[in-house]
Amino acid sequence: EPEVTQTPSHQVTQMGQEVILRCVPISNHLYFYWYRQILGQKVEFLVSFYNNEISEKSEIFDDQFSVERPDGSNFTLKIRSTKLEDSAMYFCASSKETTDTQYFGPGTRLTVL
Amino acid sequence: GENVEQHPSTLSVQEGDSAVIKCTYSDSASNYFPWYKQELGKRPQLIIDIRSNVGEKKDQRIAVTLNKTAKHFSLHITETQPEDSAVYFCAARDSGGSYIPTFGRGTSLIVHP
Repeated sequence: EPEVTQTPSHQVTQMGQEVILRCVPISNHLYFYWYRQILGQKVEFLVSFYNNEISEKSEIFDDQFSVERPDGSNFTLKIRSTKLEDSAMYFCASSKETTDTQYFGPGTRLTVL
Repeated sequence: GENVEQHPSTLSVQEGDSAVIKCTYSDSASNYFPWYKQELGKRPQLIIDIRSNVGEKKDQRIAVTLNKTAKHFSLHITETQPEDSAVYFCAARDSGGSYIPTFGRGTSLIVHP
């Protein structure tokens, strides 16, 4: 069964550095999402992406964040200048349609020192 | 926006007992309610979902009930097994507006052998 994949599984960075988190959505899915989960807390929506454009974004997704689909398979989340509070698990998800179930990747644990 | 409350935050049961996790939502327009299971360090995985046109759905030992009037829905796990131990998240989504699910805070289910 196809799955969403994410790399790296764990990223450690210094405060102020840029990080890029990578995702490969399920191949026939058209809608892509990023969520984050701070340790012990609930999953929070960051952004959704369709047809090479952001469809929706939350208040968390400020100017420090950007998303891109650089080629036909990858979907990336960039954090321009990381802060300590960006430390969290970041999940990518994808779905065929907006009304379909979203399938999550295994996550990237980001640690900002 | 939507607000989802989930209780309890921790649930400890003996193997073979039943477990019930309850969620309430605030937006009466929400009409899709998925439940995700997240084992330690792993991705959230959809285990069951229900749409607002039905009141109950079962899949083997798992069932979900929905009360639209009261705006609450519950996950029922019967004959619990140690491998059911995980964090369970409920979510609510309005498919007529934003397609982004709002998650509850999660319930840590511990099944003791």
